[in-house]
Amino acid sequence: EAGVAQSPRYKIIEKRQSVAFWCNPISGHATLYWYQQILGQGPKLLIQFQNNGVVDDSQLPKDRFSAERLKGVDSTLKIQPAKLEDSAVYLCASSPLDRPDAEAFFGQGTRLTVV
Amino acid sequence: GQNIDQPTEMTATEGAIVQINCTYQTSGFNGLFWYQQHAGEAPTFLSYNVLDGLEEKGRFSSFLSRSKGYSYLLLKELQMKDSASYLCAAPGGFQKLVFGTGTRLLVSP
Repeated sequence: EAGVAQSPRYKIIEKRQSVAFWCNPISGHATLYWYQQILGQGPKLLIQFQNNGVVDDSQLPKDRFSAERLKGVDSTLKIQPAKLEDSAVYLCASSPLDRPDAEAFFGQGTRLTVV
Repeated sequence: GQNIDQPTEMTATEGAIVQINCTYQTSGFNGLFWYQQHAGEAPTFLSYNVLDGLEEKGRFSSFLSRSKGYSYLLLKELQMKDSASYLCAAPGGFQKLVFGTGTRLLVSP
């Protein structure tokens, strides 16, 4: 079974530029998460989708971050414009919809450096 | 809302036993997860507890007390490869997975 795929693995941009990350979850997983992990901290949930609908985006800085999952499969997360404090690893994870005990499977993440 | 607390860092020696504690406050309880994360890698699932008590899985065990809002991860016969961060996570709603800050474990020879 293929895992969660993310790209790119690394990205360096200047502040005020824009950037987009892509995630393809495990086939059949209806729930998709985007997390931001700053060095030395635990992952912080940015947004959670079930199929193509948003379940929770309460911690997504909506003035600069956006995410979509148009066909209920892969997803993109965009930052525009980026700030220095956005430097972090952005993790995508997926899990099956119908099991509350289902573990989340994580991709390798995208390490973003804003200079 | 969710509030999850873990120690920031712990050290132990190879072959020893270590217990990593996690306390949580949640508006609704749907179980508690432990994940392992090696430096520069993605978190990987270790355990899930929804009922009180101890669940053993090889060298790793996880304990839950719902009345106390408390869990711990017990690692036995520590190996160098166990050096990693251990993340406690609780669902904040159906499948909304909220993580603690993580405990960085350093295993020395």
